Amino acid sequence: NAGVTQTPKFQVLKTGQSMTLQCAQDMNHEYMSWYRQDPGMGLRLIHYSVGAGITDQGEVPNGYNVSRSTTEDFPLRLLSAAPSQTSVYFCASSYSIISNTGELFFGEGSRLTVL
Amino acid sequence: GNSVTQMEGPVTLSEEAFLTINCTYTATGYPSLFWYVQYPGEGLQLLLKATKADDKGSNKGFEATYRKETTSFHLEKGSVQVSDSAVYFCALSLSSSNTGKLIFGQGTTLQVKP
Repeated sequence: NAGVTQTPKFQVLKTGQSMTLQCAQDMNHEYMSWYRQDPGMGLRLIHYSVGAGITDQGEVPNGYNVSRSTTEDFPLRLLSAAPSQTSVYFCASSYSIISNTGELFFGEGSRLTVL
Repeated sequence: GNSVTQMEGPVTLSEEAFLTINCTYTATGYPSLFWYVQYPGEGLQLLLKATKADDKGSNKGFEATYRKETTSFHLEKGSVQVSDSAVYFCALSLSSSNTGKLIFGQGTTLQVKP
């Protein structure tokens, strides 16, 4: 059982480059999301999706795009990387958007450095 | 606004010591409360949760009680082990929200020495 799989685990970019962080889950979860983790700031929600074809912005969406063409996949795109996007990125999924279940299943993270 | 505040770390303890990690929250409505744990090199995983006032969540020897009067959800363990070394995140979600969003505290690093 793979759970939530993120690739790549590590990436170094130059300012202005673009890239896509991949996220796939095999649990048939409706809800998927992307967080970034920065020292002293916990995790902040970037974008989320409540089902295929539906996405919405979280707390810190600027500089990132997402799409949800299938239930399984939820890629995160950086169109023009900036040093402020240096962070660890986590993809997470859940059975549904029912908030009080609270159980998000996280991938192992992708560490991105923008020079 | 809604927020979660945790005690700053790192917290360094000797094996078998008693652990408390403080967590307080600010929220409109009636949140559910959670503790997540992140072991080195891994993603977060749910440790325990409580969905209403006075509920106690427990798992793997860890406990936390939802205290509405003090808006707190402190994490405790009677006897820590080296394997408990990790980063612990307190989080809340609002049942009135349709985003499924969890609001996380900044995390507290626990180091347990043999």
